[in-house]
Formats: sequence, structure tokens, C-alpha cells
Amino acid sequence: EPEVTQTPSHQVTQMGQEVILRCVPISNHLYFYWYRQILGQKVEFLVSFYNNEISEKSEIFDDQFSVERPDGSNFTLKIRSTKLEDSAMYFCASSLAGHRAGYTFGSGTRLTVV
Amino acid sequence: GENVEQHPSTLSVQEGDSAVIKCTYSDSASNYFPWYKQELGKGPQLIIDIRSNVGEKKDQRIAVTLNKTAKHFSLHITETQPEDSAVYFCAASSSNSGNTPLVFGKGTRLSVIA
Repeated sequence: EPEVTQTPSHQVTQMGQEVILRCVPISNHLYFYWYRQILGQKVEFLVSFYNNEISEKSEIFDDQFSVERPDGSNFTLKIRSTKLEDSAMYFCASSLAGHRAGYTFGSGTRLTVV
Repeated sequence: GENVEQHPSTLSVQEGDSAVIKCTYSDSASNYFPWYKQELGKGPQLIIDIRSNVGEKKDQRIAVTLNKTAKHFSLHITETQPEDSAVYFCAASSSNSGNTPLVFGKGTRLSVIA
């Protein structure tokens, strides 16, 4: 069964450093998303991406965050200057046709900012 | 915006018993309600979803019911098995656009005791 692949599985970074979280969505999917989950909390929407541009973003997704689909297969989330409160599990998801087809989530990247 | 409340936060049942998890939503425009199962160390996995044009949907031991008037929907798992133990999330969204984000509940940790 096709999978969404995320790397790394765990990233530890110093506060103020830049991090890039990587995702390989399912190859024929058209919609891409990043969500995050702070330990013990609900899964929160960050951003959706379609047709090579951001479609929607939440209040969390401020100018410290950016997304890119540099080569038609990878989908990356960059945090420019990490804060302690960015520590969370970050999930990438993709979908063939949005809600009409459902989402497939990756296994996540646990980001720890120290 | 949409707000999804989920209860209970933890649920323990004996193997073979039924489990019921309930969610309420606030936005009457929401018309897509998926349920996700998250096992330890993995991303959320879609297990069943329902759209607002139906009141109930069943898939083997799993069923979801939707009451649009009361704005609540529920997940029912019958004949529970130890492998059903996981965190279950409900979510809601308007499905008019593939980019409309899912809004998740806080999750229910289900433990099935053998």
C-alpha cells in the first residue's frame, strides 16, 4: 500500500536554529498538508498546498514557517528560527482529491527544540 | 471557526465489549467527518468517514453515526479486540474544497483489556 514517508523520524535542534522536515507524499496525490501535534494535545492544521502554492494556512503558520515542493516529489516544511514551543510531532499528509478521497498521513517527525 | 470536542479522553473496555466515542462540532457548514486511529509511533490512519448526506455508516466492527441537528457524531466499535487499543481522533471539515483543513478533537485513548 502506498505510504507517505517522513524524514527524519526524530530531530533535536538548538533554539534559534533552522530545521527542515522532509516528506515524500504518495506519487499521484495532488494535495499536501502539514499538521502538528504537541505532546498530549490535538492534531493542529498548519498549511495546505496545492498546485505549487499555499492554499490555506493557520495562525500557527507565521513567517517563521515555509513550505516547498522543490522537485515534484519532496514536500518540505522549514522553520527558520526554532523556539521551544515548536517542539511537537509534525505530520505530513497527502490526498488525491482532498476530502473526497481522504488523507494519508506519514509517521511524523518528532522535533525537539532545546 | 470550527471547534471539535471529543469525549471521553480515556476509555477502558473488556475485550469483546463495545466502545463508543462521541464528538460534537460547532460549524453547521461542516459536512465531512472522518475518524482516525493512531497507534504508538505512527501517524493517524483513516478508519472510517461519513458525509453529511447520511446518518450512519458501517464497516465490519466499526460504525459511525451523525446527528446534524444536534451537531454530534459518534464512533462505535463492537466486539473490541486488544489490537483496537490506540488513540482515536474525530475530525470535521467542510469538504467543498480539498484544501479546507480538518479540525481534530483532542483524541480518546482506548484500552482494550484482554
